[in-house]
Amino acid sequence: EAGVVQSPRYKIIEKKQPVAFWCNPISGHNTLYWYRQNLGQGPELLIRYENEEAVDDSQLPKDRFSAERLKGVDSTLKIQPAELGDSAVYLCASRHRQGELSYEQYFGPGTRLTVT
Amino acid sequence: AQKVTQAQTEISVVEKEDVTLDCVYETRDTTYYLFWYKQPPSGELVFLIRRNSFDEQNEISGRYSWNFQKSTSSFNFTITASQVVDSAVYFCALMNRDDKIIFGKGTRLHILP
Repeated sequence: EAGVVQSPRYKIIEKKQPVAFWCNPISGHNTLYWYRQNLGQGPELLIRYENEEAVDDSQLPKDRFSAERLKGVDSTLKIQPAELGDSAVYLCASRHRQGELSYEQYFGPGTRLTVT
Repeated sequence: AQKVTQAQTEISVVEKEDVTLDCVYETRDTTYYLFWYKQPPSGELVFLIRRNSFDEQNEISGRYSWNFQKSTSSFNFTITASQVVDSAVYFCALMNRDDKIIFGKGTRLHILP
């Protein structure tokens, strides 16, 4: 079974430029998460989707961040415009939410963003 | 409020030694889930274990073992006979019934040959 796929793996942009990250979750996983991980910290949730619905976006900086999961499968996270403080690793995770036995999240390799 | 504390920022041990990674959590929920994840240098978080709040049985998986104690709100992780491949950052995490998951800041483990 293929894992969570993310692209690109690395991205370097200048501040004020836009950037987008793509995530394809594990097949059949209806819950998708985007996290941001700053250096030396644990992942912090940005947004959670149940199918195509964003059920928790309370931590998403909506002035510059946006996300979509139009068909309830893959998802895109966008930053526009990027700021220096956005430099971090952006992680995508997915989970099959059905029943007690399925609470583990499976993570992708992440996209390391550097804003210069 | 929920909180996960991993007080050990970095640990170094010599190969074959045992090492315990501490995790203390705070939550007002009676139903919750605890996790440990491993993040090797490649960056991908690897799921290790999930434990729900009603199951205080300790678990052993090969060289890994977990000690869950609700009385002290701790969920510690022990690696027995450590190996160089165990070198990574280890995260403890807490999830409540609303599916909000909080990660600790992680413990960087160095296994020295």
